[in-house]
Amino acid sequence: DAKTTQPTSMDCAEGRAANLPCNHSTISGNEYVYWYRQIHSQGPQYIIHGLKNNETNEMASLIITEDRKSSTLILPHATLRDTAVYYCIVRVSGNTGKLIFGQGTTLQVKP
Amino acid sequence: DAGVTQSPTHLIKTRGQQVTLRCSPKSGHDTVSWYQQALGQGPQFIFQYYEEEERQRGNFPDRFSGHQFPNYSSELNVNALLLGDSALYLCASSSGPTSGAQYFGPGTRLLVL
Repeated sequence: DAKTTQPTSMDCAEGRAANLPCNHSTISGNEYVYWYRQIHSQGPQYIIHGLKNNETNEMASLIITEDRKSSTLILPHATLRDTAVYYCIVRVSGNTGKLIFGQGTTLQVKP
Repeated sequence: DAGVTQSPTHLIKTRGQQVTLRCSPKSGHDTVSWYQQALGQGPQFIFQYYEEEERQRGNFPDRFSGHQFPNYSSELNVNALLLGDSALYLCASSSGPTSGAQYFGPGTRLLVL
């Protein structure tokens, strides 16, 4: 699976959009981008995933660049409850269930 | 609809002892994966169970073993506990062994003294 690079930490004002970047410059054509988050003292929570088209669900939007070397997770209206560690994971779909977590980005939403 | 449940929530053991952790998957899921999360680190994959068999294993010693029951629930066993086994143990369930959308339980916090 391709390696990902994320900023260690980010701040966001409550009510504003939180844009979390992820670099995956060595991604292969059959690798998907997954995002999870982990709120303090809880298990990770699946957010969204995509291959090359932008995706949106009730939690967030995922924007993948045309060359697929980077992506951005967007929380449109961040709340204090969105404070968490956000993990970007690249994996081949249909190959394995193993998820490889890096260090992630600690997002702090401030009032 | 119950999500993934794990028991116990916390556990304290001493070096050399053995421990068993339990997991019930989300309703409708048939696959269980186990992860270990040390303080300040991301979760590390231990192994995955599907159809009552270990399907894939991460870089963990044989002291770590597991089992899956016909109702899809699972156990993680760790023998000869070491201080370094102190961690949060997470169970994740999914529909099928290759799904990347996994649903995690709250974890079991194990402290080895």
